[in-house]
Amino acid sequence: QKEVEQNSGPLSVPEGAIASLNCTYSDRGSQSFFWYRQYSGKSPELIMSIYSNGDKEDGRFTAQLNKASQYVSLLIRDSQPSDSATYLCAVNVNSGYSTLTFGKGTMLLVSP
Amino acid sequence: GAGVSQSPSNKVTEKGKDVELRCDPISGHTALYWYRQSLGQGLEFLIYFQGNSAPDKSGLPSDRFSAERTGGSVSTLTIQRTQQEDSAVYLCASSLAGPDLFQPQHFGDGTRLSIL
Repeated sequence: QKEVEQNSGPLSVPEGAIASLNCTYSDRGSQSFFWYRQYSGKSPELIMSIYSNGDKEDGRFTAQLNKASQYVSLLIRDSQPSDSATYLCAVNVNSGYSTLTFGKGTMLLVSP
Repeated sequence: GAGVSQSPSNKVTEKGKDVELRCDPISGHTALYWYRQSLGQGLEFLIYFQGNSAPDKSGLPSDRFSAERTGGSVSTLTIQRTQQEDSAVYLCASSLAGPDLFQPQHFGDGTRLSIL
């Protein structure tokens, strides 16, 4: 059973702080990792993808992957109130066909 | 370019009726996925298409649910004899199906289904 675990939150941070969102996964064969942002009442929006160990930066977002620890995280620097949303971690195991397993998401609240 | 398009955006129907939900993927995306998201819940995988074939139907919750895809493009999710527990947002996503690394999925805006 492939599982992706996230703390449901809410994670509350003040504006300008760094928000750290964490995700663990159970299948060691996982190869591709994604972070989606979902505003209330809206569909998920892809914000980051990462495939190899280490850090990947895109603007204020940094994704971190550690396959040995089966851990992927998302850092949001200089958090803004507009970052308040639910962040979904998604993991793929390339097992002959391509599906994603999603975590239940972490709600982030950024206060002005 | 156009994103994933879903219709209708909202559907209200009586218990016991059949409903059809439509998804038009991003042009050129060969992989198409259906998910369901109930209020406050995570994404529940329903079915995956590669071209017109469905290699993975494992998420369909009952035999009242079926889906098809024609021409490697538009997909229809059909729910027969709807029940109140079918009320949810039904999301469609599409992706390129690369031979190696998995390509990210891009979501439509969803169909909000309400069963009275």
